[in-house]
Amino acid sequence: EAQVTQNPRYLITVTGKKLTVTCSQNMNHEYMSWYRQDPGLGLRQIYYSMNVEVTDKGDVPEGYKVSRKEKRNFPLILESPSPNQTSLYFCASSLSGGSSYNEQFFGPGTRLTVL
Amino acid sequence: LAKTTQPISMDSYEGQEVNITCSHNNIATNDYITWYQQFPSQGPRFIIQGYKTKVTNEVASLFIPADRKSSTLSLPRVSLSDTAVYYCLVGDISSGSARQLTFGSGTQLTVLP
Repeated sequence: EAQVTQNPRYLITVTGKKLTVTCSQNMNHEYMSWYRQDPGLGLRQIYYSMNVEVTDKGDVPEGYKVSRKEKRNFPLILESPSPNQTSLYFCASSLSGGSSYNEQFFGPGTRLTVL
Repeated sequence: LAKTTQPISMDSYEGQEVNITCSHNNIATNDYITWYQQFPSQGPRFIIQGYKTKVTNEVASLFIPADRKSSTLSLPRVSLSDTAVYYCLVGDISSGSARQLTFGSGTQLTVLP
C-alpha cells in the first residue's frame, strides 16, 4: 500500500531532551516536507526537501533540523525541544514532476507534547 | 511567496452546492493552485489542482479567473461527511524548482442536516 508513515504517533517529552520523529514513504517521491499544525494557525511548513541531500527552510524552521540521506526517509530532529514546539506534526511527500505537481500525500501525524 | 486568504468558516445544508473562495493576489507565474480537505486528527487529503480556467474531477470543480488572483472550490451536493477544513495552497514543486508551499489557515465547512 502506498503510504507515508510517521513514528511515533504520540510523544510526551521534557524540555531539552533531544528527539527524532521519523518519516518514511514508499512511493519513490522526490519531494518531502514537514508541517506543524496549531489551533487557528493552519499548517505551517517547517522544512522541505526536493531530493536526496537537498533540504531548505520553510516558514517556521527555528528549533528544527532535518536530513535527507535516503530518498524514502526524512526525519525531523528537535535538538532541544521547548514547550512552544508542542504541536501536531505532519510529514508529506510528492512527486516533483508529472501532471499532479502539488498532490502531497500526508502521514497520519505525530502529536508532540513538550513539558 | 504567495499568501492565501480564505473565509474562516462556512455553513451549508445537505444537498446544496458549496463554493469556497481563496484569494492569492501575489501568485507567481509558475504557481499551481491546490485544494486539500482535512478531517480532525488526520492529515490533509488532496482534492483538486489547477492552473487556469476550470478543472473538474469526480469530487469537485475548481474555477480560476484569468488574472489568477483568486480561485473557487465548488463542492456539488454536499453531505454531512463533507464537514471538514478546506485549505487552499499556492505554489509549485515541479522538478528543479525549489519552492516553499504555504497553506492558508483554512475554511471550516460545516454541513447541516
